Amino acid sequence: DGGITQSPKYLFRKEGQNVTLSCEQNLNHDAMYWYRQDPGQGLRLIYYSQIVNDFQKGDIAEGYSVSREKKESFPLTVTSAQKNPTAFYLCASSILPSGAPDTQYFGPGTRLTVL
Amino acid sequence: AQRVTQPEKLLSVFKGAPVELKCNYSYSGSPELFWYVQYSRQRLQLLLRHISRESIKGFTADLNKGETSFHLKKPFAQEEDSAMYYCARDYKLSFGAGTTVTVRA
Repeated sequence: DGGITQSPKYLFRKEGQNVTLSCEQNLNHDAMYWYRQDPGQGLRLIYYSQIVNDFQKGDIAEGYSVSREKKESFPLTVTSAQKNPTAFYLCASSILPSGAPDTQYFGPGTRLTVL
Repeated sequence: AQRVTQPEKLLSVFKGAPVELKCNYSYSGSPELFWYVQYSRQRLQLLLRHISRESIKGFTADLNKGETSFHLKKPFAQEEDSAMYYCARDYKLSFGAGTTVTVRA
């Protein structure tokens, strides 16, 4: 499994602290995505980016921020404003940057726990 | 409102029995629909997409625009099919809540 990596695998944070989750891909994909996975709720889109230096909010962007300075990197910052940050976070990428997404390739995920 | 609905959270079948996972979607138009699968300790990965019209690992899914459904079917379930399955569509990159399938020997 190469291609798209996320680090760290597990992350613990104290309440009130910001934390940044890493996502890197070497697939030369234009589009990258961040999802949050909670039991019984499936995957919910946080942010996505179709091109470098551009990104759009998903359904649950409040309390999160992203940047896309390089094609291969799309870090997600979970801020202290996010009310329920404890979750499993998945990053994905896809080839086509258009409004009709192509197949997404997923990273292994980061489990964030707020203490 | 849910854009993709998977009504069954859990599905348990015996090996060799047929299995069908239901998926309904809203916001019709011309949807692009996918089924993703997550096996134990593996990444979420694409199983199939409706535009390909292919059978993967014995699974098929037919888009029914009249019923706004994209159910996943396999005539004879195998133990290795035990996994979490997600239905997804292109609009707002929406995923369903997922169905956990357990195939018993």
